[in-house]
Amino acid sequence: SQTIHQWPATLVQPVGSPLSLECTVEGTSNPNLYWYRQAAGRGLQLLFYSVGIGQISSEVPQNLSASRPQDRQFILSSKKLLLSDSGFYLCAWSVGAGAVDGYTFGSGTRLTVV
Amino acid sequence: AQKITQTQPGMFVQEKEAVTLDCTYDTSDPSYGLFWYKQPSSGEMIFLIYQGSYDQQNATEGRYSLNFQKARKSANLVISASQLGDSAMYFCAMREGIVGNQFYFGTGTSLTVIP
Repeated sequence: SQTIHQWPATLVQPVGSPLSLECTVEGTSNPNLYWYRQAAGRGLQLLFYSVGIGQISSEVPQNLSASRPQDRQFILSSKKLLLSDSGFYLCAWSVGAGAVDGYTFGSGTRLTVV
Repeated sequence: AQKITQTQPGMFVQEKEAVTLDCTYDTSDPSYGLFWYKQPSSGEMIFLIYQGSYDQQNATEGRYSLNFQKARKSANLVISASQLGDSAMYFCAMREGIVGNQFYFGTGTSLTVIP
């Protein structure tokens, strides 16, 4: 069966420090991978998605970047965190990109930038 | 225009009663999928139910059913026999087209089940 792992679960980082959040998927090949951010009490904002190794699409210009070094690995990074980067980060994957393809989400990372 | 609209920021329901969470959507694509997700306080997003635009019947999954009214572009989630564990945020979402990476989420409805 397919599973998705996301870590760490919580993170407190000072302003200006780097960030690396990792997401891995098991039990499937060539998944579509996504990074979302959810601000407190808000909906989900798509940050990045990837349809294959090395292929990254950015939805929102920001202080963050994403990479996909392996088929089932998706990494969210920042060189210097801002206070506004605080939020709940969710990784998700889907089999395809069609109307029938729902997401499976990771358990999320709660990032607090202080 | 908003692709997904959830007009109820917060809802309360008595335990064992049924509750309807509203969702309207906006698309001109004849092929789309509608999804509901539950987000408990732990943060994880849990898939609940799916309705395809070509599906003739309303989707059901256990105590969850989706009241799909295509002409009105609404996809309301009905939870029957509410339980305390149903207290959570609920998100309606839509995916359009045969191939498209956009997955639109509503702003969510916070449901509280009262004992």
